Amino acid sequence: GENVEQHPSTLSVQEGDSAVIKCTYSDSASNYFPWYKQELGKRPQLIIDIRSNVGEKKDQRIAVTLNKTAKHFSLHITETQPEDSAVYFCAASIRGNTPLVFGKGTRLSVIA
Amino acid sequence: NAGVTQTPKFRILKIGQSMTLQCTQDMNHNYMYWYRQDPGMGLKLIYYSVGAGITDKGEVPNGYNVSRSTTEDFPLRLELAAPSQTSVYFCASSYSIRTSGGRSSYEQYFGPGTRLTVT
Repeated sequence: GENVEQHPSTLSVQEGDSAVIKCTYSDSASNYFPWYKQELGKRPQLIIDIRSNVGEKKDQRIAVTLNKTAKHFSLHITETQPEDSAVYFCAASIRGNTPLVFGKGTRLSVIA
Repeated sequence: NAGVTQTPKFRILKIGQSMTLQCTQDMNHNYMYWYRQDPGMGLKLIYYSVGAGITDKGEVPNGYNVSRSTTEDFPLRLELAAPSQTSVYFCASSYSIRTSGGRSSYEQYFGPGTRLTVT
């Protein structure tokens, strides 16, 4: 089955700097790649997603890139703010008919 | 829309007791899921359902049972609770449609979670 690896497990950045989180997946049939943000004590919430027919997607300070050949995708957060501090999860879905497989998460701390 | 709702929010069980975690969604999603999240850890899939009357095991199904009699409801049953089942349980739902290229998945919405302690 699909396996999703996520790195790093923890990341600290200064406010205003950029943060990058990387994920790799194993099954080339995966076609949907969402990113979730989970604040302490809250539910995971989708922040951005990308499909296999697109290489990059942006939404204000957040962007996701996908390299299908290398089977990896990355989350980029620019101009980080303290409210970006949270745990971020990447995920992948095979052909849209199996449940999402999640990475183990990255704890991002933005230091003011 | 209320989205995905879960009850109860908190529960303390004694070892060997049983309980049902309730999950309801009002978005007419065909897919529903149950995850558990241990402290500081990621999400592990317990069971999922692709539609009413259909359920399937996830990564960690032992000690749990589910049913899906309606599109809206997906209860999770714990029989003979054990300390290892102490966790936060999230229900989620999503929509998946069949396209000419296969199936397409859409955003997975999570409920607020149930914090369960077994002592």
